[in-house]
Amino acid sequence: NAGVTQTPKFQVLKTGQSMTLQCAQDMNHNSMYWYRQDPGMGLRLIYYSASEGTTDKGEVPNGYNVSRLNKREFSLRLESAAPSQTSVYFCASRTGERDTEAFFGQGTRLTVV
Amino acid sequence: GQQLNQSPQSMFIQEGEDVSMNCTSSSIFNTWLWYKQDPGEGPVLLIALYKAGELTSNGRLTAQFGITRKDSFLNISASIPSDVGIYFCAGQSGNNRKLIWGLGTSLAVNP
Repeated sequence: NAGVTQTPKFQVLKTGQSMTLQCAQDMNHNSMYWYRQDPGMGLRLIYYSASEGTTDKGEVPNGYNVSRLNKREFSLRLESAAPSQTSVYFCASRTGERDTEAFFGQGTRLTVV
Repeated sequence: GQQLNQSPQSMFIQEGEDVSMNCTSSSIFNTWLWYKQDPGEGPVLLIALYKAGELTSNGRLTAQFGITRKDSFLNISASIPSDVGIYFCAGQSGNNRKLIWGLGTSLAVNP
């Protein structure tokens, strides 16, 4: 009954370092999403994957890459972290059908110093 | 990017009061979703609406899908301290795979 699982929960990086945020869902959902949340900015879509084998840019893709490893897993990579990428990152999944809700992970709190 | 207009931005109320918040869009939506986010957690779905005019309740929460399909509201009756958090609306238009999000309503409840 895990739903959407994100790792790690917390991370501190130095400017220029790279890291990958992991996300896995066990609900057999087709669509997966990465958002970032900053104070007063709501949820902004970074990348999404409508189905296994496809990925598309969202509102704020610069500085990020994604991989839809299989149906369950969708990772977000920061190649060269910048202080502007300090944020809370959320992964979400949906069935992919037209009228369905999104389920969220608990978030990764990333600080870039 | 496209966003919904969610209001109010924040509310500070006394325990026991009723709360109302709403979202409006310039586009027609076929799905409206209301989420609550507790501090340090991810958003959790409260109510999902799929038909214009639909009125749905979940305990003390009631939400409606506007007839014009461009708005939705969420009411909370008899608020309690655990209602504290940020409430988000989200909508989907057409067959777009992406949800459009409001900026949230921050609710504080004074016991």
